[in-house]
Amino acid sequence: QSALSQSASVSGSPGQSITISCTGTSSDVGGFNYVSWYQQHPGKAPKLMIWDVTKRPSGVSNRFSGSKSGNMASLTISGLQAEDEADYYCSSYTTSSSTPWVFGGGTKLTVL
Amino acid sequence: EVQLVESGGGLVQPGGSLRLSCAASGFTFSSDWMYWVRQAPGKGLVWVSRIKSDGTITNYADSVKGRFTISRDNAKNTLYLQMNSLRAEDTAVYYCARNRDFKFDYWGQGTLVTVSS
Repeated sequence: QSALSQSASVSGSPGQSITISCTGTSSDVGGFNYVSWYQQHPGKAPKLMIWDVTKRPSGVSNRFSGSKSGNMASLTISGLQAEDEADYYCSSYTTSSSTPWVFGGGTKLTVL
Repeated sequence: EVQLVESGGGLVQPGGSLRLSCAASGFTFSSDWMYWVRQAPGKGLVWVSRIKSDGTITNYADSVKGRFTISRDNAKNTLYLQMNSLRAEDTAVYYCARNRDFKFDYWGQGTLVTVSS
């Protein structure tokens, strides 16, 4: 099972909105609504930001939102803040019994 | 408060072995699937292995199958990863993570495994 495809980097200025995309196949992103997104600051553990495509855990800012169309999922961050600068990873459940979960390669968000 | 605390990482020579542990607290450990996910230096997250809540089902990534063994002791609230025949490409930070309702909702802080001569 190949990793999900994410752009390597994205940038935006404070207050702007950015979108990070995550492309998979019908065997993962397109086949299930079990797409999640994780934020990772340098040297820290990943943190769950979005699950089941659109749901936000308690405590995560409503500036973070998720969506999906076909085999592509997206994470949108509105009103960019300096603390949003981090790596973001998507993940999806898959049809493969040998590889039940797959992650994207990660997107580095730079807040200018 | 849910906590996952990994230990057992370190420097090991190629071909060597290590056992990682993940001590869980703040939730009913015996109710959840648990996972190991690793991250090579400067790289992304990669799923390594998982174990069902009661330990009856285990799965492994092809890259570690036959060399790594996942296990758990629900009485001790601890997850393990026995790693044998280690290779340079196994060098990574290893995270344990809880997967509940199809999401990795809690992660440990990670433990670094370095395979080098």
